[in-house]
Amino acid sequence: GAGVSQTPSNKVTEKGKYVELRCDPISGHTALYWYRQSLGQGPEFLIYFQGTGAADDSGLPNDRFFAVRPEGSVSTLKIQRTERGDSAVYLCASSSGLHRSTDTQYFGPGTRLTVL
Amino acid sequence: RKEVEQDPGPFNVPEGATVAFNCTYSNSASQSFFWYRQDCRKEPKLLMSVYSSGNEDGRFTAQLNRASQYISLLIRDSKLSDSATYLCVVNRGAGGTSYGKLTFGQGTILTVHP
Repeated sequence: GAGVSQTPSNKVTEKGKYVELRCDPISGHTALYWYRQSLGQGPEFLIYFQGTGAADDSGLPNDRFFAVRPEGSVSTLKIQRTERGDSAVYLCASSSGLHRSTDTQYFGPGTRLTVL
Repeated sequence: RKEVEQDPGPFNVPEGATVAFNCTYSNSASQSFFWYRQDCRKEPKLLMSVYSSGNEDGRFTAQLNRASQYISLLIRDSKLSDSATYLCVVNRGAGGTSYGKLTFGQGTILTVHP
């Protein structure tokens, strides 16, 4: 079946603008995760959804970042007043949610965000 | 100190070589351990889970030492197609809301040359 999909694949924006990044998880996966990966680093956790609710948002760097998953499927990561330091690849992953500590997380191809 | 630390390399080895990657983690409460592989400008993909008893998948062997908080990956008979970044990954697992939160090391770059 289809894997995790993310749109757009690339986003270039200007400092101070608002952006939305979309993630479509694998069908039936109840757990959804957002990570951010800067050049030369491993992915860093941002937020984790179980169903519609954010179970852990401890990785969101500040209140400019917000994510929603209103129907328990598609999720949107929203970044307000973008800064150059927000430039990174934003990765979404999903898992079945049955065994949360051992579930395999399947990653999407990412959205490469560039803030000019 | 980073929660998961890896030698970033790069490791440059000839085809057929055996190469080992090491990783340490700082949180003794960590429950699950993985190696992911990431090709250039692609998403990370699970290579293998790591179990306390050690486990093998073809040319790949993973080991876990909980007492030392140390994880390793051994690749035998390296192929050109093994060239990638290898990410050591820890899941703090049981308890609270940290289920599912993966913590990644920086990644170790491997290049296998003819």
